[in-house]
Amino acid sequence: DQQVKQNSPSLSVQEGRISILNCDYTNSMFDYFLWYKKYPAEGPTFLISISSIKDKNEDGRFTVFLNKSAKHLSLHIVPSQPGDSAVYFCAASDGGTSYGKLTFGQGTILTVHP
Amino acid sequence: GAGVSQSPRYKVAKRGQDVALRCDPISGHVSLFWYQQALGQGPEFLTYFQNEAQLDKSGLPSDRFFAERPEGSVSTLKIQRTQQEDSAVYLCASSLIQARINTEAFFGQGTRLTVV
Repeated sequence: DQQVKQNSPSLSVQEGRISILNCDYTNSMFDYFLWYKKYPAEGPTFLISISSIKDKNEDGRFTVFLNKSAKHLSLHIVPSQPGDSAVYFCAASDGGTSYGKLTFGQGTILTVHP
Repeated sequence: GAGVSQSPRYKVAKRGQDVALRCDPISGHVSLFWYQQALGQGPEFLTYFQNEAQLDKSGLPSDRFFAERPEGSVSTLKIQRTQQEDSAVYLCASSLIQARINTEAFFGQGTRLTVV
């Protein structure tokens, strides 16, 4: 059973416009959510996170929104840049563990066209 | 080096062969994770070490998978009698502390294992 789902395998956006990546989860024990970015042939790198006590967290061009009732989160990138082209993974942390074990979604390939 | 180093970067194994994948975490990092990423999927948790202690191995898919970190630094993931479904990228991540919210886990580039 996929506890974290990213239903859009890919997204194509024009440079300067907004990119919106979506993520849904099913496990009510998840209480912290993270987004990772991955370039080809590299490991994932941490991008931004949000605690379940918040509904929004912003860091520069990146904003994550959390809707707990819908078990849905989204990552907004404004404005999008060609260097943002990568695979984006949504991940969740279970409040029942003590050491940062993560459950990942399948990833969304973002392509930003110049 | 400054980052998490994994070797080999690529490994082709014949079905039934044993393989060993190495992870050199960042020096001094307490926590070490192994994840398996199948093609087109996200990473899936395999196992967790705090120093040399393997505190969670719930994600290891079968008893053919074995991980160790005997001196609390370098870790090895061993797969015995490899099968085609073991083909995946194996990612290692380390972090300085054990923390429930771990935004400072650094991932290696991974080892791509192909079983033929």
